[in-house]
Formats: sequence, structure tokens, C-alpha cells
Amino acid sequence: DQQVKQNSPSLSVQEGRISILNCDYTNSMFDYFLWYKKYPAEGPTFLISISSIKDKNEDGRFTVFLNKSAKHLSLHIVPSQPGDSAVYFCAAISNSGYALNFGKGTSLLVTP
Amino acid sequence: ETGVTQTPRHLVMGMTNKKSLKCEQHLGHNAMYWYKQSAKKPLELMFVYSLEERVENNSVPSRFSPECPNSSHLFLHLHTLQPEDSALYLCASSPGQGRYEQYFGPGTRLTVT
Repeated sequence: DQQVKQNSPSLSVQEGRISILNCDYTNSMFDYFLWYKKYPAEGPTFLISISSIKDKNEDGRFTVFLNKSAKHLSLHIVPSQPGDSAVYFCAAISNSGYALNFGKGTSLLVTP
Repeated sequence: ETGVTQTPRHLVMGMTNKKSLKCEQHLGHNAMYWYKQSAKKPLELMFVYSLEERVENNSVPSRFSPECPNSSHLFLHLHTLQPEDSALYLCASSPGQGRYEQYFGPGTRLTVT
């Protein structure tokens, strides 16, 4: 049973534009949400996180938005760069557990 | 070395072999994890160690045996594996104490023949 869903397997964006990656979750007990970036043959790299008590967190070009009522979060990358091309995973965890629940990922391609 | 390292990066083993995967974290974290990533599937948590004690075992077959001798090192001992165990095995660590982000190693690509 997939508790974290990324319904878009791929996304293509032009360099300089905004990339918006979406994620939905079903478990209202999740307290913390994270985004990871993964290149082929490497482990996921932690990008940015947000606590369930917040609705926005920003770090440089990356901003994560959380809409708890809709059980939806999104990652905005502005401006997008070719080096951002990778697979992006959304993950969620409750503060009583240890397991990160991952989505299946969205492959982002930023074209020059 | 910084971050989380894993050795070997690639491993091919027969079903009757015994091998071990090694993970080391240089971040001073309290918790360490083993994940399995199979093709076209989300990451699956296998084991969690917090302060060197196993706190989670996600119904993993006994042919996988973890060991955490100290807070910086984590091993996954493998024996009599099946071809369907071929996957990318990822190690991760996290600070603990209310911080949930996990930092991953590069993974070991395991092929069971």
C-alpha cells in the first residue's frame, strides 16, 4: 500500500523556468516531509524538508510547500538548471517511527 | 572521508556464497539504516539501528543478517541468497534527536547468479 505517491513519472522543463514536482500522501500521521534527489548509480541526496507544522520552507532555489488539508506537497525549483536533471523522491515520516516512506520518484529533465 | 560510504560498490555472488556489505558514516549520527531498492519499486526499509540497537526489522528473510558493532559502522551479512535478491542496497544514517533527514551512501549493486 503506497502511502506516498508521485503521480508524474517524468517532467521536462526549460532552463531558467520553474520546475514544480508534486507529491500526495495518504497517512495523516506523517509529521515530516523530505525531498531527495538521485542521480543514476548514486544514493539519494537530501535536498530540503518541512515539518507538518509549517506550510513553506525555502532554501536557495528550492522551496517546499505543504498543504496538510489536501495531503499534498510540492517542490519548486527556480530557476531550473541543467544540473538539476535527476530523479526526485518525496518521502514522509512520522515522529514515532523510523521508516522513511518514499514515493516512486519523478524524473526531471531540464533542457538548455 | 566524509558522509556515508559503502563497500563494495558492486558485488556478484552465487546463491551458495557468503558475503558482507559494509557501511560507514562519518557524520556523528545516532541511527543507521539498510534499504533495498529493486527496479521500478520504491525504496524498502530493511533494518534500523539506533544507538547500536536494532529497533526495526521489516520482515526481512533471515538470509540477510545485519550487524552494528558501533554507531559508525553497519554491516549486512548475506548468505544463500536468491536471484530475486539482486538489487541496489543502500545504507543511510540520521542524526536522531528529533531530526529525521537521512543521509544515504552510494549503494552496493548486488547481483545474485
